[in-house]
Amino acid sequence: EIVMTQSPASLYVSPGERATLSCRASQSVSSKLAWYQQKPGHAPRLLIYGAFTRPTDIPARFSGSGSGTDFTLTISSLQSEDFAVYYCQQYDNWPLTFGGGTQVEIK
Amino acid sequence: EAQLLESGGGLVQSGGSLRLSCVASGFTFRNSAMNWVRQAPGKGLEWVSSVPDIGYTTYYVDSVKGRFTISRDNSQNTLYLQMNSLRAEDTAVYYCAKGSYGYWFEVWGQGTLVIVSS
Repeated sequence: EIVMTQSPASLYVSPGERATLSCRASQSVSSKLAWYQQKPGHAPRLLIYGAFTRPTDIPARFSGSGSGTDFTLTISSLQSEDFAVYYCQQYDNWPLTFGGGTQVEIK
Repeated sequence: EAQLLESGGGLVQSGGSLRLSCVASGFTFRNSAMNWVRQAPGKGLEWVSSVPDIGYTTYYVDSVKGRFTISRDNSQNTLYLQMNSLRAEDTAVYYCAKGSYGYWFEVWGQGTLVIVSS
């Protein structure tokens, strides 16, 4: 099983600042990495797939990078609606696995 | 707009069974891989099971193998999860999710809560 490790567990950021979230895989997943955002009481929402591809409805301030074992989600200028929990997920191998999440909170 | 609507959750005793359903609309269901993902209270996301658009292969996380069965009825645009021999650790919100070519989850339902009492 591929273990996904996210860091930090919590991130305190002021509105308008940049947030950088990390995700590391225990073995290479190539570019088969997705990111999701989840707000309390809501289902997750897809932000990024293929490590860096953004669905058309996702704002450009969200960007993904990396390949192999190390990945980054960057939120260029945090808006109030971006405070949430973020998860990474690999889909290179079965079982599909998620990271433990990074909670982005208001500083 | 693609939408997924789960149902079938509830309170069940340990060892009991439930069947979850997920009705899809707004996209071509028969051409889409489908998945179940769960989230225990206050915890992170855990993939449970997947079924591709065609073929008979199904996939499960080890902890549910032999107890859960995923299936789909393309004529009814519906995904199912039959859950038997339920355990307290199966307590979670269960989400239905539309997959894509690479088994990322591009559309999610609102979730249905399953509580297993011991």
